[in-house]
Amino acid sequence: DTGVSQDPRHKITKRGQNVTFRCDPISEHNRLYWYRQTLGQGPEFLTYFQNEAQLEKSRLLSNRFSAERPKGSFSTLEIQRTEQGDSAMYLCASSLGTAFSGNTIYFGEGSWLTVV
Amino acid sequence: AQKVTQAQTEISVVEKEDVTLDCVYETRDTTYYLFWYKQPPSGELVFLIRRNSFDEQNEISGRYSWNFQKSTSSFNFTITASQVVDSAVYFCALSGGNTDKLIFGTGTRLQVFP
Repeated sequence: DTGVSQDPRHKITKRGQNVTFRCDPISEHNRLYWYRQTLGQGPEFLTYFQNEAQLEKSRLLSNRFSAERPKGSFSTLEIQRTEQGDSAMYLCASSLGTAFSGNTIYFGEGSWLTVV
Repeated sequence: AQKVTQAQTEISVVEKEDVTLDCVYETRDTTYYLFWYKQPPSGELVFLIRRNSFDEQNEISGRYSWNFQKSTSSFNFTITASQVVDSAVYFCALSGGNTDKLIFGTGTRLQVFP
């Protein structure tokens, strides 16, 4: 299966620690997205990349969050000084073109973060 | 502003019943796309369908069908003869304008009992 893969799938961390999630998109997909989903809610957009360029960031993405896609392939999402409010599932997605042109966005299985 | 409303929080049915999941959207864009995703307990969002704002034809795919009505800003999803494997959370989403992000509703949890 060559879908979007995320690692780790689950992470429990103590408040104040840093965590990093990795996302490998579908091969040749130039667009890569990060979303956050809390219990009982739909996914909320965080940021997206066109190749290695980060084109848009949500206001949800505080300065403790940083995302990179250095070579235009995999991406990392780092959360510094984690807080309990960061507990959520972090979803990565990719597409071959823009969402507003109707291209399908394919999601990974998500990385669950629990901050204790 | 763009918004997606899924008023049904949870629906329970018995296997073989038909069920309709409602989705109402708001947008000022003339060109936009609507999506449905399924999220099983594993967490992955599984793409089901994409529909653009200029195509109001209903679509049927096996036991799934979708009814898009611009006049009521609705994009409803019907599962015919539901099965236990249909149990999941279903999300409706909207994209449009010049922003490359999906706006999701809060989802409808469907439980199909044997």
